[in-house]
Amino acid sequence: GAVVSQHPSWVICKSGTSVKIECRSLDFQATTMFWYRQFPKQSLMLMATSNEGSKATYEQGVEKDKFLINHASLTLSTLTVTSAHPEDSSFYICSAVGDLDTQYFGPGTRLTVL
Amino acid sequence: AQSVAQPEDQVNVAEGNPLTVKCTYSVSGNPYLFWYVQYPNRGLQFLLKYITGDNLVKGSYGFEAEFNKSQTSFHLKKPSALVSDSALYFCAVNLNNAGNMLTFGGGTRLMVKP
Repeated sequence: GAVVSQHPSWVICKSGTSVKIECRSLDFQATTMFWYRQFPKQSLMLMATSNEGSKATYEQGVEKDKFLINHASLTLSTLTVTSAHPEDSSFYICSAVGDLDTQYFGPGTRLTVL
Repeated sequence: AQSVAQPEDQVNVAEGNPLTVKCTYSVSGNPYLFWYVQYPNRGLQFLLKYITGDNLVKGSYGFEAEFNKSQTSFHLKKPSALVSDSALYFCAVNLNNAGNMLTFGGGTRLMVKP
């Protein structure tokens, strides 16, 4: 139980394009999901908290117009990186809150912007 | 503000020997404490958590952690390390009224040599 999937697992795009990353809780419902960014050999940096049916809460320094988050259902949250640039290249990881407030993480999406 | 420290960037241990990965925390209140493991190019996998009750928590893959309130520590341990345990380990803390948000330590790379 408590499986979280992400799609795609790896995406390469040209600078200026937009990329959508999906995060799904497969066997449980999650009112709350989180989006993180991880740079090589570093810890996770929380980008935003995604709550079903309401606007996402962004951490300081994260541009909400660049990183669009939609949590339209209890099993799906999406992160869209708009007009991506090379500096947006990173490993993006989502998590969904399951039983007893435990976060279960997706396998991550590696974004490479050329 | 809550914080988590993992004082060792890397821990080296021989296969079959016991291992310890250290974690200390700073919160004002009763913490929820977590350990996650990350394999290369993958998301985080939940290992174990402490919410309340017994100070010794047993988790996945033979790992355990001991909550020590006086030392504000939550060290991860395993009696006999396996080469396959080599990975990046993250300690995280959530204040029980912080809306499920996790604060992560910087991570510790565990290298188990045959």
